[in-house]
Parts: sequence; structure tokens; C-alpha cells
Amino acid sequence: GQQVMQIPQYQHVQEGEDFTTYCNSSTTLSNIQWYKQRPGGHPVFLIQLVKSGEVKKQKRLTFQFGEAKKNSSLHITATQTTDVGTYFCAGVAYNQGGKLIFGQGTELSVKP
Amino acid sequence: KAGVTQTPRYLIKTRGQQVTLSCSPISGHRSVSWYQQTPGQGLQFLFEYFSETQRNKGNFPGRFSGRQFSNSRSEMNVSTLELGDSALYLCASSLAQRSTDTQYFGPGTRLTVL
Repeated sequence: GQQVMQIPQYQHVQEGEDFTTYCNSSTTLSNIQWYKQRPGGHPVFLIQLVKSGEVKKQKRLTFQFGEAKKNSSLHITATQTTDVGTYFCAGVAYNQGGKLIFGQGTELSVKP
Repeated sequence: KAGVTQTPRYLIKTRGQQVTLSCSPISGHRSVSWYQQTPGQGLQFLFEYFSETQRNKGNFPGRFSGRQFSNSRSEMNVSTLELGDSALYLCASSLAQRSTDTQYFGPGTRLTVL
């Protein structure tokens, strides 16, 4: 079945450093979504990417969708303590019945 | 607009018992999905309902079942509880007919099986 792998599992950075999490799918995706879950909270939608090679920015966050639509990345520039949480990618493969499959998540901690 | 609500927020059960969790989607949302979240397995898709019909199902045993009512509220039932069922159960609703639309998550129900 479809698998969505996300790396790294954990990332500890000093405030001000950059952070990147990568998402890879075993099959081609129709779209990919990114969510953030704060400690003790629930996942909150960040963005959706649909087009091959698409790049979207939200302030210090940059999201990319690979040309082959099998991978994606989230890059945070100059992390802040408010960025702490777990970042999940979630993708839907073609011909998989529309199930949204989540990656394992990357837990980001930021040291002030 | 009120968000997704889930009840109860916390639940403690013993092995062998059964449990029913409830989810009320955002008003106007017709799709409700359920996920199990554990530290080791991340977010695992359980099932999705749209207009009272199960549209998708994950790879969970038959002990896990759900349903959706005409007002889009959904319930999830787990029978013959096992220790490994301890998890955060998240419900998410979405607006449109496509299951790939943005998921709005509720706060979850924390289930502990002793």
C-alpha cells in the first residue's frame, strides 16, 4: 500500500537556526498537505500543494512539491520558539481511493 | 463558527471492555475522518464517512467500527479493548465531497486501556 515517509523524526535546533523536514512517498501523489501539531494540541492545517514543482511561502516557512510529485519539503528560516511542535505531511496517491496518508511527523524543538 | 468537538476528552477503560467516542464536525462539513495517534505509529487513518456512508477504511481490525448520522455527527466504537488501543483518537471534518480537502481536527479523545 501507499507509504509516506518523513525524516528526520526529531530535530533540535538553536533559536535562529534553519530547519527542514522531508517527506517521501512510494507512489505519485495527487497533492500533499502539511500540518503542525503543537505539544498537547491537535494537527492544524498549514498548506496544500497540488502542482508538480510547486513552491509556496508563508512568512518564514517554504513548502516545496517535487517535480515527480513523490516528495515534498518544509523549510523554516530562522526558527523561533513558537515553531516548536510536530510537523506532518499528508498525501493522497492516485488510484488509492482518496485516503489521506500521514507521514510519521518531525518533532521540532527550539532552544532559546 | 464552532470547531470540531469530541467527547469525551479522556477515557479510562479496562481490557475487554468496549468504548464509543463521539465527534461533532464543523457546521456544514459532511465528511468526517477518524485517526489513531500513538507515539510510535504517528497518525494512522481509521475510516472516513461522507453522507452517512463509509467512503474509506484503513488497516484496522474489525473491532474498530464507526458510523455517521444524518446530521453528520459521527461515532467510533472499539470493542474488546486491548492494551495497544491506548492512544489519542482524533476526528477531523472537511467541507467538500473530496476526501483530500483540508482536514479540521478536533482536540481528540485520550483513551487509556488498563
